[in-house]
Amino acid sequence: EAGVVQSPRYKIIEKKQPVAFWCNPISGHNTLYWYRQNLGQGPELLIRYENEEAVDDSQLPKDRFSAERLKGVDSTLKIQPAELGDSAVYLCASSLGSGSGANVLTFGAGSRLTVL
Amino acid sequence: AQTVTQSQPEMSVQEAETVTLSCTYDTSENNYYLFWYKQPPSRQMILVIRQEAYKQQNATENRFSVNFQKAAKSFSLKISDSQLGDTAMYFCAFMLFTGNQFYFGTGTSLTVIP
Repeated sequence: EAGVVQSPRYKIIEKKQPVAFWCNPISGHNTLYWYRQNLGQGPELLIRYENEEAVDDSQLPKDRFSAERLKGVDSTLKIQPAELGDSAVYLCASSLGSGSGANVLTFGAGSRLTVL
Repeated sequence: AQTVTQSQPEMSVQEAETVTLSCTYDTSENNYYLFWYKQPPSRQMILVIRQEAYKQQNATENRFSVNFQKAAKSFSLKISDSQLGDTAMYFCAFMLFTGNQFYFGTGTSLTVIP
């Protein structure tokens, strides 16, 4: 079974440019998370989806960040325009969302963004 | 508010020795899960071990075991017979029964010295 797939793995852009990250969760996982991880820090939640509904986006900087999860499967996180402080690793994770597997969080490899 | 504190930013251990990573958390809830995640230099985070807060017995997973002290809100990870492949960042986390929100600590960077 494929794990959580993210792309691109690495992205270098100049400030003010747009960037998008894609995530395909494990099949059947209803809950999808986007985290931002700064160097030497723990993951910080940006947004959480239950199926196609964004149930927690309180930490998402909505002036420049947007996300969608059409059809409740894969998801895209966009930044427009990017700022220097957005340089980080963007992690996608998924879980079953209910039942005995609800507490098992599986991460993707992450997308490392460098803003110059 | 839910918080997780890892007070040891960096630790090192000699290969084959035992090391304990500390974690404390704060929540007013009574039912939750606790986790230790490992993030090797390749950066893919993987689950090491998990503990249900309602279980008194400490979880074990091969060389990894936890010391769960619910009253003290402490959840330490013990790695026995440390191996070079254990070199990684280790994150303590918990999740409330009532939702799918995970709370992570700031991590402990562990280096296993040959």
